[in-house]
Amino acid sequence: AQKITQTQPGMFVQEKEAVTLDCTYDTSDPSYGLFWYKQPSSGEMIFLIYQGSYDQQNATEGRYSLNFQKARKSANLVISASQLGDSAMYFCAMREFLQAGTALIFGKGTTLSVSS
Amino acid sequence: SQTIHQWPATLVQPVGSPLSLECTVEGTSNPNLYWYRQAAGRGLQLLFYSVGIGQISSEVPQNLSASRPQDRQFILSSKKLLLSDSGFYLCAWVKGAGLNTEAFFGQGTRLTVV
Repeated sequence: AQKITQTQPGMFVQEKEAVTLDCTYDTSDPSYGLFWYKQPSSGEMIFLIYQGSYDQQNATEGRYSLNFQKARKSANLVISASQLGDSAMYFCAMREFLQAGTALIFGKGTTLSVSS
Repeated sequence: SQTIHQWPATLVQPVGSPLSLECTVEGTSNPNLYWYRQAAGRGLQLLFYSVGIGQISSEVPQNLSASRPQDRQFILSSKKLLLSDSGFYLCAWVKGAGLNTEAFFGQGTRLTVV
């Protein structure tokens, strides 16, 4: 079963508008961590924001905020005041306990296109 | 500060040829190391991870193998490449196993098998 689901293959937004990228996850562990990464066309993976399962408040990092709804198992990324440089692929990920350690398990990603 | 190096950046190899991709981490000790593969326009698939020297865990049966000969070195190999091995390979490291520890990625290797 898919652990991380990103249902939006592509999203389009105009500069200065806000955009929400959806992410739902599946886990039975009470403790987990959720991450968002940005991947520009160069291929590098850039860490954006983290939310812990026990965090009482939604995480924020500059223009990025995470709309964490634990009961719905969703962790949507909100980008405020979009910029042209935000055009990239965005991945939601969850840290999962494996047989011999932990690893980030990624969704399939959402391609965000920002236009002027 | 910690850095992660991955090479080569691009690689074109014929079907049936061997493969060796290397990843090294500087500025930290005993990192958890990972190899991911990303098919064109797709998400990242975890291939291998390692919590220490000589300790390799495989997540997906592959035509690939991994080794960790030194604490900060992680190698991805294949004896005979297949067309389906084409993709973008990313090495990553994490300090510790805490749930809030982010992963740091190398610059990636674009492998094209022809």
